[in-house]
Amino acid sequence: KAGVTQTPRYLIKTRGQQVTLSCSPISGHRSVSWYQQTPGQGLQFLFEYFSETQRNKGNFPGRFSGRQFSNSRSEMNVSTLELGDSALYLCASRDRAIQEQYFGPGTRLTVT
Amino acid sequence: AQSVTQLGSHVSVSEGALVLLRCNYSSSVPPYLFWYVQYPNQGLQLLLKYTSAATLVKGINGFEAEFKKSETSFHLTKPSAHMSDAAEYFCAVSDSGNTPLVFGKGTRLSVIA
Repeated sequence: KAGVTQTPRYLIKTRGQQVTLSCSPISGHRSVSWYQQTPGQGLQFLFEYFSETQRNKGNFPGRFSGRQFSNSRSEMNVSTLELGDSALYLCASRDRAIQEQYFGPGTRLTVT
Repeated sequence: AQSVTQLGSHVSVSEGALVLLRCNYSSSVPPYLFWYVQYPNQGLQLLLKYTSAATLVKGINGFEAEFKKSETSFHLTKPSAHMSDAAEYFCAVSDSGNTPLVFGKGTRLSVIA
């Protein structure tokens, strides 16, 4: 099976802009989670989608949003970018039967 | 609320020496515990998980971890370090296995030739 894919791998944006990141889970997995990784805060949970419904949400402002499509692919959007949004954004595909999450390579977002 | 504490942000060992990475957790319910490894410019790879089946868990690449409820610990060990083990290691907890992971701050492992 192919692993979790994330596009794009690298992004450079300017403050105030918005950005959309994409994640394709492992075939057959219907649960997708998003995490933000920064040197200062470490790995923090953003949100999780299962069967197109948001199931859990982390403690992030409303500028961070996501959605999931019927084919389980997920997107996350960040509006009005701030310098502090610079981070590695990781997507994880969950096999709920064996309680394991598999991570993609991440999207490195730099906000200037 | 759950939390994870990884003691030591950086651990350095000689090639062939024992690797010991420490993880203590806090959870109000029986936890599910995980160790992940991250190589530079890559995502996280699952090394092993504890789901209450056995207290000693064996994972990939020769790593294992022991769940000790009395110490609320889940330390990661490997008998003999290889240069390829140099990476960042994260301990994580969830309360049911299908809820969001709460990660520790990570421990960077360096292996010296």
